[in-house]
Amino acid sequence: KAGVTQTPRYLIKTRGQQVTLSCSPISGHRSVSWYQQTPGQGLQFLFEYFSETQRNKGNFPGRFSGRQFSNSRSEMNVSTLELGDSALYLCASSPTGTGGTKNIQYFGAGTRLSVL
Amino acid sequence: GNSVTQMEGPVTLSEEAFLTINCTYTATGYPSLFWYVQYPGEGLQLLLKATKADDKGSNKGFEATYRKETTSFHLEKGSVQVSDSAVYFCALMDSNYQLIWGAGTKLIIKP
Repeated sequence: KAGVTQTPRYLIKTRGQQVTLSCSPISGHRSVSWYQQTPGQGLQFLFEYFSETQRNKGNFPGRFSGRQFSNSRSEMNVSTLELGDSALYLCASSPTGTGGTKNIQYFGAGTRLSVL
Repeated sequence: GNSVTQMEGPVTLSEEAFLTINCTYTATGYPSLFWYVQYPGEGLQLLLKATKADDKGSNKGFEATYRKETTSFHLEKGSVQVSDSAVYFCALMDSNYQLIWGAGTKLIIKP
């Protein structure tokens, strides 16, 4: 079974631009979560999608948005990029995203975004 | 609110040494607890988990026991190898089924 796939692996953008990151979950997984990882703030939860609906949202500004498609693939968009948005963006999938034995999140390798 | 506190790194050990990485948490109720590992240039891999008090998670020689009375989930390994060098993250799952992370502990194993 293929793991979580994130594309692209690396991105370089300039301030003010926008960017779209993609995540393909493990086959059969319906929940996709996004995290931002930076040296200063560590790992922070961005949002979670389940069945094309945003179910949970972290404490990030509205410039960060996402969506999920009917095949469970997800995209994350950041508009009006700032220098502080430079980070590793990680996507994780799980079967249902709820409790019990199905609550394990499996991570992709991440997309490293550099904003110049 | 919920939070996870890990010991600061880096932790530097010689091969075959005993490893302990401390993790304590603050949460309402009894959340599931996790250890993830991140190797250089890679994403996060689940190392082990525990879902209730006194549960012991184990994998690849690593162990951690869910201690309700001390709100701790310390990671241990009896004999580390160079290949264990990585960053280790402790995390809890909140009531929305999202992960709250510790800051991570970098582990360096010298041959």
